[in-house]
Amino acid sequence: DTGVSQDPRHKITKRGQNVTFRCDPISEHNRLYWYRQTLGQGPEFLTYFQNEAQLEKSRLLSDRFSAERPKGSFSTLEIQRTEQGDSAMYLCASSPPGGVHEQYFGPGTRLTVT
Amino acid sequence: GIQVEQSPPDLILQEGANSTLRCNFSDSVNNLQWFHQNPWGQLINLFYIPSGTKQNGRLSATTVATERYSLLYISSSQTTDSGVYFCADTNDYKLSFGAGTTVTVRA
Repeated sequence: DTGVSQDPRHKITKRGQNVTFRCDPISEHNRLYWYRQTLGQGPEFLTYFQNEAQLEKSRLLSDRFSAERPKGSFSTLEIQRTEQGDSAMYLCASSPPGGVHEQYFGPGTRLTVT
Repeated sequence: GIQVEQSPPDLILQEGANSTLRCNFSDSVNNLQWFHQNPWGQLINLFYIPSGTKQNGRLSATTVATERYSLLYISSSQTTDSGVYFCADTNDYKLSFGAGTTVTVRA
């Protein structure tokens, strides 16, 4: 059973560029989550998918951020016109269907905006 | 959302020592999880423990849901136990995390 995978693991970009991250959840996990973690803090929720439907978005997710999960499998998180404040670790998690909502996290994508 | 308070914020241990980490929650416990964040940033699942007690090797956890707290015990600590420990609980599926406890185990 492979875990949650994320790509790329590291991304350095210049301010104003667009970036896209990918997350592949554990197979058969229908729930997928994105979180953001800045230095010294716990992760903060960004958005949540159940199958292909995006059910919740945090107020942290400004209009420069968009997430998709078109076929209910992998998901992408795009940041347009990056700002230095977007520098963070972006974490993806998935959880199985049913009543147990244990979430499993990927290795994260560390974004640095210069 | 749920407010999660972790204590202590930092813990320095000599190898072989035992320790207890605590999480307090502002609301009822639903899907409490404990994680260890490794030096590369990945969150490793330690326990899914909405109630009761579980043990896994030198680690054990207890959640008292009625009193809205959970404890993580580390026994006979090793240098590989160093890192940041987070507890988190869900509110409408999204996890709310505490600020973490940074554990340093010295040889």
